[in-house]
Amino acid sequence: DIVMTQSPDSLAVSLGERATINCKSSQSVLYDSNNKSYLTWYQQKPRQPPKMIIYWASTRESGVPGRFSGSGSGTDFTLTISSLQAEDVAVYYCQQYYNVPYTFGQGTKLEIK
Amino acid sequence: EVQLVETGGDLIQPGGSLRLSCAASGFSVSHDYMSWVRQAPGKGLEWISVIFGGGRTYYADSVKGRFTISRDNSNNTLYLQMNSLRADDTAVYYCAREGTIVGAGFRGVESWGQGTLVTVSS
Repeated sequence: DIVMTQSPDSLAVSLGERATINCKSSQSVLYDSNNKSYLTWYQQKPRQPPKMIIYWASTRESGVPGRFSGSGSGTDFTLTISSLQAEDVAVYYCQQYYNVPYTFGQGTKLEIK
Repeated sequence: EVQLVETGGDLIQPGGSLRLSCAASGFSVSHDYMSWVRQAPGKGLEWISVIFGGGRTYYADSVKGRFTISRDNSNNTLYLQMNSLRADDTAVYYCAREGTIVGAGFRGVESWGQGTLVTVSS
């Protein structure tokens, strides 16, 4: 199974500042045939189901604000929130879709400093 | 509008069985890839099973041999049959519609239910 490891486990950032969350896979999730990394980012707010925000490592889901961006390829990935807003307080998860089981990272809790 | 409504969560004793249902509307479960994802209280997300459009099924090792995913196309409903339940199966169980693009594969879960709580305890 592919193990997904996020860092840090928790993060406190001031409003308007940049937040960066990392995700590392135990093996590459890049398909050479189409050059896509099958890595998805979700945002989960309290008492809500998760919401997809980034897929294929860097493609923003429709309706997601432009301050959210994803980068990386292969085994190392980053979710960046360029200017933190109060409504971005949540737990963020990465998930790989390269192989079943489609494993999640352990989550990163993002708070306001 | 796509909607997923899970039912069937309950308090059940260890060793017992339970069947979760996920009623779908706004799309056909027979054509889409559908998953179950669970979240233990205060913990992270755990993918547990998927059924492909063609009917193939896959499971996480933690539930393999105990859980079965299936669907009823006539009722447009996804199921999760859970047997030999253990305390560590206690979680909110989410039904999820996977987003896919022809020729490019999975994007991620594009629709989630609100979840149903399964508590395994004596």
